[in-house]
Amino acid sequence: DAKTTQPNSMESNEEEPVHLPCNHSTISGTDYIHWYRQLPSQGPEYVIHGLTSNVNNRMASLAIAEDRKSSTLILHRATLRDAAVYYCILRDVNNAGNMLTFGGGTRLMVKP
Amino acid sequence: GAGVSQSPRYKVAKRGQDVALRCDPISGHVSLFWYQQALGQGPEFLTYFQNEAQLDKSGLPSDRFFAERPEGSVSTLKIQRTQQEDSAVYLCASSDHSSYNEQFFGPGTRLTVL
Repeated sequence: DAKTTQPNSMESNEEEPVHLPCNHSTISGTDYIHWYRQLPSQGPEYVIHGLTSNVNNRMASLAIAEDRKSSTLILHRATLRDAAVYYCILRDVNNAGNMLTFGGGTRLMVKP
Repeated sequence: GAGVSQSPRYKVAKRGQDVALRCDPISGHVSLFWYQQALGQGPEFLTYFQNEAQLDKSGLPSDRFFAERPEGSVSTLKIQRTQQEDSAVYLCASSDHSSYNEQFFGPGTRLTVL
């Protein structure tokens, strides 16, 4: 799987939007962009994924650059519960069932 | 329904002891993964099962690590002659057999080797 680059940490105020960036300049045409997050003392949990078009679900939105070399996870209104490490991961759709390759992720801190 | 469960949640072992960590995946999930997470780092892949077949064990750090899933459901990760560097959180995840479907993680087992 191709490598991703994320900032080590970010801060946000409660109830404000948060934009978490991810660079993946070597992404291939068959790589999906996945985001997982890990709350303190828990296993990672799936947030969202996409290929080319922007995606929305109840947790977040994913904005994908036109050249697919970067993407942004958007939390529309951060809550204290959103404080977690967020991982941006590329998965090749041709490798069914393949493992997730985590980087260091971005530690999001939410201030009340 | 029930998620992925792991036991024990915490394990303290003396150096040289053998340990066994259990994972109960979501019922019906074909794929099962083990990851190791050192303090302050992201999880790293250890091994992967499809049903009872271990299809990838490239991430196991040494031959002291052994995993099995004999009936295609519950899995056990065994570490023989534990060393201090084995101290980590061991995470189990399961998924159905879709190429891009999400993996569901358990809470992990925190292993401390003294």
